[in-house]
Amino acid sequence: GAVVSQHPSWVICKSGTSVKIECRSLDFQATTMFWYRQFPKQSLMLMATSNEGSKATYEQGVEKDKFLINHASLTLSTLTVTSAHPEDSSFYICSAPLPLRSGDTQYFGPGTRLTVL
Amino acid sequence: GIQVEQSPPDLILQEGANSTLRCNFSDSVNNLQWFHQNPWGQLINLFYIPSGTKQNGRLSATTVATERYSLLYISSSQTTDSGVYFCAVPSGGYNKLIFGAGTRLAVHP
Repeated sequence: GAVVSQHPSWVICKSGTSVKIECRSLDFQATTMFWYRQFPKQSLMLMATSNEGSKATYEQGVEKDKFLINHASLTLSTLTVTSAHPEDSSFYICSAPLPLRSGDTQYFGPGTRLTVL
Repeated sequence: GIQVEQSPPDLILQEGANSTLRCNFSDSVNNLQWFHQNPWGQLINLFYIPSGTKQNGRLSATTVATERYSLLYISSSQTTDSGVYFCAVPSGGYNKLIFGAGTRLAVHP
């Protein structure tokens, strides 16, 4: 199956600092990638759609100035959490669609666990 | 927007038992995916199943698109099946996936 990687797998930072998370599609190209956030014992909530070569599209209630997304190439999207606060502590997961003859199948990265102290 | 409901929310099984997980969705969809999230958080693709029935080993899934539901069957459950099972459907453009709340499965030896 398709492989999507994320780096780092976990990060601990101090309140007020910025953290960058990378998402790479390793064996296919993705003009679109998606960023999700998951709090403990909850479902995945879509944060934004990352578009290669253009601005990201954010879901309602997600602050675009706080969660900066850059889709620099067809295999890399980055999410930067700026001025992180403890309430930003969460599990961040990216995904990329792999087009199949029958439709798009989403493949997910292993996630990044962010803890803000 | 589209709503996705999963049942049951929690399920405890003895190893070897069978189970059925349900996913209802509120609007017509052109695809549906089932995932297993393991204890480390990794989402593992189980099925891409917009309609019909598919089987993969001890797992099988059926989607009845006209009635807006999908079922995931787990037979002869094993402790490694433990985790959270999510169904997800696309919403809007770009194939954005909307997830159900999940079914948390614990299989005991």
